[in-house]
Amino acid sequence: NAGVTQTPKFQVLKTGQSMTLQCAQDMNHNSMYWYRQDPGMGLRLIYYSASEGTTDKGEVPNGYNVSRLNKREFSLRLESAAPSQTSVYFCASHDRGRTYEQYFGPGTRLTVT
Amino acid sequence: GQSLEQPSEVTAVEGAIVQINCTYQTSGFYGLSWYQQHDGGAPTFLSYNALDGLEETGRFSSFLSRSDSYGYLLLQELQMKDSASYFCAVAGDYKLSFGAGTTVTVRA
Repeated sequence: NAGVTQTPKFQVLKTGQSMTLQCAQDMNHNSMYWYRQDPGMGLRLIYYSASEGTTDKGEVPNGYNVSRLNKREFSLRLESAAPSQTSVYFCASHDRGRTYEQYFGPGTRLTVT
Repeated sequence: GQSLEQPSEVTAVEGAIVQINCTYQTSGFYGLSWYQQHDGGAPTFLSYNALDGLEETGRFSSFLSRSDSYGYLLLQELQMKDSASYFCAVAGDYKLSFGAGTTVTVRA
């Protein structure tokens, strides 16, 4: 099992460019999440998908969109990148039947210049 | 909304015991989780308390008091590899809200 995978690992964008961060999990989990982490801060929830076919806003959704493509995949799109979106982005998944253990991907380090 | 407070830094020597406190204000509380994150790595799950009391997993223990909106993570017999950031997180409906994290530095 690969667990949670994310692509790309690193990305540099210019202000105004768009891009999609990809996330996939092979654990058959129902719920998936996108977080951002800025230096010295905890993880802030951007969007989540409690189950296939549903998505909801988290704490900091502005400037982002998501797609739950199927049970395995949950993508995050930046339509017009801004320097304030420079951050490390983590995808996570969770099986509702268990504890609140979330499994995290390795992260995408995004710089917007 | 959710609000969590935990100390920003703790330093201790190998073999010592460290307690990281977490106080929270929240609506829709299901439980308190703890995660560890090494520099440059992804967060990994340590523990989850849904009920009051102490949960022990090896050298790490976690405690919850729902009436006091308070919990802590206890790290015993500290090792160099325990140098990392530790986050408490409140579990709500389908999602977690994380604190800002406590950086633990273990000195030889």
